[in-house]
Amino acid sequence: NAGVTQTPKFQVLKTGQSMTLQCAQDMNHEYMSWYRQDPGMGLRLIHYSVGAGITDQGEVPNGYNVSRSTTEDFPLRLLSAAPSQTSVYFCASRPTWWSRQETQYFGPGTRLLVL
Amino acid sequence: GNSVTQMEGPVTLSEEAFLTINCTYTATGYPSLFWYVQYPGEGLQLLLKATKADDKGSNKGFEATYRKETTSFHLEKGSVQVSDSAVYFCALYPNTGNQFYFGTGTSLTVIP
Repeated sequence: NAGVTQTPKFQVLKTGQSMTLQCAQDMNHEYMSWYRQDPGMGLRLIHYSVGAGITDQGEVPNGYNVSRSTTEDFPLRLLSAAPSQTSVYFCASRPTWWSRQETQYFGPGTRLLVL
Repeated sequence: GNSVTQMEGPVTLSEEAFLTINCTYTATGYPSLFWYVQYPGEGLQLLLKATKADDKGSNKGFEATYRKETTSFHLEKGSVQVSDSAVYFCALYPNTGNQFYFGTGTSLTVIP
C-alpha cells in the first residue's frame, strides 16, 4: 500500500497561472479531502468528497475546484493562482464519511509558492 | 458550532521533562477526539484517539483523556525525548456532519 500520494512536492507559480495538485489513494477509501496549512491557522478544509461523483465545499473553497471521477483520485485545481494561495496543501482520506471513529490518513503535502 | 482551541506554542522542554498540551472543544453531542502529530516535512499522522467520554487514548507514551464535563482532551507525556519534537494538532469529528475540525497546532521542541 502506498497510502495517500501527492504530486508535486513543490511548485512555484506566477500570479494568474493555473495548475492541478494531484492526490491518489490505494486504500479504497470513500472519503477524501483537501486542506491548506498556514502558520498560526492550523489546517483549513478546502473541499471534500464522500464518494466518486460527489464533492462539497469546506471552509475556504474560493479559488479552488475539485472533481472525483474515481474512488482513487481527487485532484485540486487552482484556477488563477494568487499570492494568498501560497501554502502547504494536504490531501487526506478515510474509509467512510459516516464513521465517527475512523482517522484520516494524510499525504506528505505539496508546498506551493505563488509569486 | 464545532471548534477546537489549542494551547499556543511554541513549547520548548528539556529531555525527560513532563509535557502537557491543552485542548478544549466546542461541539454538540459526543464528538470523537483525536491528536495528530506532524514531524518536520511530513504529513499528519494519528497519535491517539478517544471516541466517548472518559475514554483514554494512548500511544508511544502519550496519553489523553476525553473529559466531557470540562470539554477537554489534554495531551500528556511523562518524559519527553528529542524525537518527540514536532507539531501536535488536536481535532474533533462531530456526532453529526462529515468533516474534521482542527486546532491551530502546538509546536514542541525538546532539547537534550
